[in-house]
Amino acid sequence: SQQGEEDPQALSIQEGENATMNCSYKTSINNLQWYRQNSGRGLVHLILIRSNEREKHSGRLRVTLDTSKKSSSLLITASRAADTASYFCATGVSGGYNKLIFGAGTRLAVHP
Amino acid sequence: DGGITQSPKYLFRKEGQNVTLSCEQNLNHDAMYWYRQDPGQGLRLIYYSQIVNDFQKGDIAEGYSVSREKKESFPLTVTSAQKNPTAFYLCASRPAATDTQYFGPGTRLTVL
Repeated sequence: SQQGEEDPQALSIQEGENATMNCSYKTSINNLQWYRQNSGRGLVHLILIRSNEREKHSGRLRVTLDTSKKSSSLLITASRAADTASYFCATGVSGGYNKLIFGAGTRLAVHP
Repeated sequence: DGGITQSPKYLFRKEGQNVTLSCEQNLNHDAMYWYRQDPGQGLRLIYYSQIVNDFQKGDIAEGYSVSREKKESFPLTVTSAQKNPTAFYLCASRPAATDTQYFGPGTRLTVL
């Protein structure tokens, strides 16, 4: 079952603009992670936020988590053409084997 | 170079044939995972293994089999019982005491 749902499904912006992607989930989580996938490639881990954290930064990335609303957002500031990729949120749930449940992703296109 | 390798990159199979996808890691990670990705969708868990000689079914294990005879290797066999095997297959590993997964480059399987 897929828990995370990203919004929007696709996003098209110009270089230099900010990109915001949202993720909603249904059940209790231990953590929420964001991954990036370039076309036809594997996933690359971007950032992890734990259920007791509200905001986290990494370079141009800012992630927020609202457990009361069961939602998270990923903000990429000053986007670059190289940021063009699909972005997935994955919720880490309890279960003894660090299971991740992935959403369907947001396809981001950054135009020069 | 340390990392996760998957081979082959592209694989073509005739209906009724079994095929085996390779996944090798030299990161000394204990846990390994196999995911399936269909176009425009997120990842779904097929099988996972936390230690050598132990593995568990994920959400969509029917028609697949795995083995974990060595820590470094976690091959996936797609059997003829899998009705719709055409997809992109991703292998991942995870170090102990962390929640982040590290992905290989993927294998694209096409059934002719």
